[in-house]
Amino acid sequence: KAGVTQTPRYLIKTRGQQVTLSCSPISGHRSVSWYQQTPGQGLQFLFEYFSETQRNKGNFPGRFSGRQFSNSRSEMNVSTLELGDSALYLCASSRGLAANEQFFGPGTRLTVL
Amino acid sequence: DQQVKQNSPSLSVQEGRISILNCDYTNSMFDYFLWYKKYPAEGPTFLISISSIKDKNEDGRFTVFLNKSAKHLSLHIVPSQPGDSAVYFCAANEGGNNRKLIWGLGTSLAVNP
Repeated sequence: KAGVTQTPRYLIKTRGQQVTLSCSPISGHRSVSWYQQTPGQGLQFLFEYFSETQRNKGNFPGRFSGRQFSNSRSEMNVSTLELGDSALYLCASSRGLAANEQFFGPGTRLTVL
Repeated sequence: DQQVKQNSPSLSVQEGRISILNCDYTNSMFDYFLWYKKYPAEGPTFLISISSIKDKNEDGRFTVFLNKSAKHLSLHIVPSQPGDSAVYFCAANEGGNNRKLIWGLGTSLAVNP
């Protein structure tokens, strides 16, 4: 069974640009969560999608948005990039909404210059 | 304000000995706790979990202990192996409908041969 895949793995952008990250969950998993990981803040919850609807949201500005498609694949978008957005963005999937055990992808390393 | 705290950023143990990783939490509404392991350039991998109705859960070399009165949990690895060298994250799930994982900052474990 294939794991969670994220594309691209690495990305370099400049301030003010926007970026879209993609996540394909494990087959059969309907919930997708996104996290931002930085050295000082650890893993911070961004949002969770289930059945194409955002069910949970963390404390991030509106520049961070996401969506989920009917095949459970999810995208995350960050607009007007800031230097502080440089981080590892992790996607996790689980069978149900807010299931206790989540399975993570390898992450997308975003660098904002 | 960190609701889940891992006060030891790093830990070094000898192969074959016990590794004890600690985690403290402040939110009494947490009802499920998980430990994840993370290798460089990979996403976190689920290791073991425990419900708040239990005080111990064991899986092979890994045992998690929960002390609700002290709001403290610990992960014991016995015996430790060099392949256990990784960053270990403690996470907790809030009760009720707004379930999302709250993460500690991680403890980097080095198991020396």
